[in-house]
Amino acid sequence: DQQVKQNSPSLSVQEGRISILNCDYTNSMFDYFLWYKKYPAEGPTFLISISSIKDKNEDGRFTVFLNKSAKHLSLHIVPSQPGDSAVYFCAAVNYGGSQGNLIFGKGTKLSVKP
Amino acid sequence: ETGVTQTPRHLVMGMTNKKSLKCEQHLGHNAMYWYKQSAKKPLELMFVYNFKEQTENNSVPSRFSPECPNSSHLFLHLHTLQPEDSALYLCASSHGLAGGRSTDTQYFGPGTRLTVL
Repeated sequence: DQQVKQNSPSLSVQEGRISILNCDYTNSMFDYFLWYKKYPAEGPTFLISISSIKDKNEDGRFTVFLNKSAKHLSLHIVPSQPGDSAVYFCAAVNYGGSQGNLIFGKGTKLSVKP
Repeated sequence: ETGVTQTPRHLVMGMTNKKSLKCEQHLGHNAMYWYKQSAKKPLELMFVYNFKEQTENNSVPSRFSPECPNSSHLFLHLHTLQPEDSALYLCASSHGLAGGRSTDTQYFGPGTRLTVL
């Protein structure tokens, strides 16, 4: 059973508009969450993270929101740019496990159209 | 440039072959990881090395054998693989913490695309 779920395999957004990527998790022991971006033929690149003691973390055009009661987090990209087109992975750290036990979602492919 | 390099980028091997994947990180990190990404599946953690010691083996079959000679290099030795082992193998590194638990951001290499015939 997947502990981290990204239910939308793809998302298409117009340039300049907001992109919202969603992620749900089931394990209440997760207390640190990360978003990675992946271009074709490259490895995932760390984008932004959030600790469970926060509900929002912002870095430039990227903002991650965490709703612990709903076990839901989202990544907002504003304004979206064509260069943001990539696959976005949500990941969670399981403090109940060992170091490095990042649990990843399957990813959402974002396409930003000019 | 992520600071984590992997060679080869592509590898095709038969089921009786022995090959090795190499990962090198130039970030001064102390922890290194192997992940597997199969088609339409999430990334799966395989092994973790923290300060050259293996701290995690995520129930990986023995036909995959990791080696970490120092904090900058990580190998994955492959022997008698199966076609279902065909996947993208990603290496990552992080600062690592002595306590073994952290909010330790991992940085990934570009991966090795492995095909087992």
